[in-house]
Amino acid sequence: ETGVTQSPTHLIKTRGQQVTLRCSSQSGHNTVSWYQQALGQGPQFIFQYYREEENGRGNFPPRFSGLQFPNYSSELNVNALELDDSALYLCASSDPLAGGGETQYFGPGTRLLVL
Amino acid sequence: GNSVTQMEGPVTLSEEAFLTINCTYTATGYPSLFWYVQYPGEGLQLLLKATKADDKGSNKGFEATYRKETTSFHLEKGSVQVSDSAVYFCALSLSGAGSYQLTFGKGTKLSVIP
Repeated sequence: ETGVTQSPTHLIKTRGQQVTLRCSSQSGHNTVSWYQQALGQGPQFIFQYYREEENGRGNFPPRFSGLQFPNYSSELNVNALELDDSALYLCASSDPLAGGGETQYFGPGTRLLVL
Repeated sequence: GNSVTQMEGPVTLSEEAFLTINCTYTATGYPSLFWYVQYPGEGLQLLLKATKADDKGSNKGFEATYRKETTSFHLEKGSVQVSDSAVYFCALSLSGAGSYQLTFGKGTKLSVIP
């Protein structure tokens, strides 16, 4: 069974640029969630995708957007990068048919640095 | 709103000591509760969970009991090892408009010294 994978592992961008992060869900999981973890903090929920539709969103501005593809993989896009966007971005997958989908399994994350 | 409060760290223990990391929550509804662990430079790993009051989650010697009356989910281990050194996150999950969102505490860093 393949776990959640994310790419790239590290990324450096400058303020104002755009970035795309990628995630492949665990085998059989059709729901993907994205979280932002600032240094020394707990992860904050960005949004969740289920069957290629956004299915819940946290308190993040519209410049944070996403996609989910038919194979359940997902992208997180961030436009007009700000210094405060520097963080570890975590992807998690879950299976709604397994106990309601509340248990989420995380990937290793992408560490983004905005200069 | 929903929130999770963890005891502040860092926590430093000697090998074989007893561990308790306190976690309390506030939630509108009946959440499921989780402990995740994060080793240096890695993502989060699910450690244990409990889905209803009085449930006990356990894994790798760690335990936590869902206490609805005190809105708590304290993590315990009887004898810690150096390999347990990591950051531990308490989290709750509630269904909101059809999606499950995890709300995390700020994390507690544990260091175990030989």
